[in-house]
Amino acid sequence: AQKITQTQPGMFVQEKEAVTLDCTYDTSDPSYGLFWYKQPSSGEMIFLIYQGSYDQQNATEGRYSLNFQKARKSANLVISASQLGDSAMYFCAMIDSGTYKYIFGTGTRLKVLA
Amino acid sequence: DAGVIQSPRHEVTEMGQEVTLRCKPISGHDYLFWYRQTMMRGLELLIYFNNNVPIDDSGMPEDRFSAKMPNASFSTLKIQPSEPRDSAVYFCASSPSIRGDTGELFFGEGSRLTVL
Repeated sequence: AQKITQTQPGMFVQEKEAVTLDCTYDTSDPSYGLFWYKQPSSGEMIFLIYQGSYDQQNATEGRYSLNFQKARKSANLVISASQLGDSAMYFCAMIDSGTYKYIFGTGTRLKVLA
Repeated sequence: DAGVIQSPRHEVTEMGQEVTLRCKPISGHDYLFWYRQTMMRGLELLIYFNNNVPIDDSGMPEDRFSAKMPNASFSTLKIQPSEPRDSAVYFCASSPSIRGDTGELFFGEGSRLTVL
């Protein structure tokens, strides 16, 4: 069965510094996708970044990068040069390519300090 | 192009009442997902549909919960009877079926349910 684990309920980071949000996953399917979403206090869900299980290189989108370590089954999100607007809840998610079942972790609340 | 539309945005009801949440997915999206968000459990997948057919409802917590998708443009999540522990934000999300795509989910704004 699929499983996503985010072990950091909350994180603090100083403005302009980098921060890493942890995510580990488990699946028996060799083909899967990994995602990160941001949820600001307003409540909407914002897609940030995607990594396919067969992608050789780590995904990057602007200040976001996904540190994909397949053997360790981890898909950590790295936010570089943190901004005050990055304060939000961050969810790691996974899709099983066979069933298209799309599950989320419990989230990490990030607070960027001025 | 309109996004995923959910209604109502807010619902306050009393224990024992029936609650119906509605969702209109993005046109052309073949997959529709219902999630429940709480502080304790994060985002839980309740049920998802492919081409209007329920694929996996193993996340539906109890028989009090039911979901339907009578056509490609409409889905409902019903709770009958509602209980205070059902209080949560319920999200609907849709996605196209193209495997080569990023698989991004497009979320509605959520329905915040409070059961007194």
